Amino acid sequence: GQQLNQSPQSMFIQEGEDVSMNCTSSSIFNTWLWYKQEPGEGPVLLIALYKAGELTSNGRLTAQFGITRKDSFLNISASIPSDVGIYFCAGRDQGAQKLVFGQGTRLTINP
Amino acid sequence: DAGVIQSPRHEVTEMGQEVTLRCKPISGHDYLFWYRQTMMRGLELLIYFNNNVPIDDSGMPEDRFSAKMPNASFSTLKIQPSEPRDSAVYFCASSSNLDFRYGYTFGSGTRLTVV
Repeated sequence: GQQLNQSPQSMFIQEGEDVSMNCTSSSIFNTWLWYKQEPGEGPVLLIALYKAGELTSNGRLTAQFGITRKDSFLNISASIPSDVGIYFCAGRDQGAQKLVFGQGTRLTINP
Repeated sequence: DAGVIQSPRHEVTEMGQEVTLRCKPISGHDYLFWYRQTMMRGLELLIYFNNNVPIDDSGMPEDRFSAKMPNASFSTLKIQPSEPRDSAVYFCASSSNLDFRYGYTFGSGTRLTVV
């Protein structure tokens, strides 16, 4: 079945640093999504990408849909304490109802 | 809209007991998904429904797990009998076919502890 490899698994950074994480797939996706999960809550959608090469921003967050359609990247600029959480990538085939989720990147920020 | 509502938020039960988790999807959403989250396995899709009909239950771990959706506004996930390895956070999520490109909306989850 489809698998998503998300890296890194965890990150420990200083406040103000930029963050980069990525996700690669064994197969092609038509949609890439990035979610954030805070402690005690469910994942919340941050950014959705629908076209190869697409670059989309949401405040300090920027995500890209890889040209090969098998990968996606999420960058966070000038991190702040509220960025702490687990970030998940998710992908979907055209016409498919199910999302495939990555294992998540746990972000910890030292003030 | 109140979002996806799950209850209870926390459940502690003894091994062998029956556990029922509940979910109320967003009104108008015709897809409902049940996920399980653990440190070891991450987010696992257990089952999903479309228009109250189970479409794919291939992720249900074993016969001890069952899920129902008697109407568009309510779904249950039942574990009988429960075992310690079932301890996890269980999420319900819903989506509209018309807005499917935006992914799912998740509830806050039920943290299940089986002792």
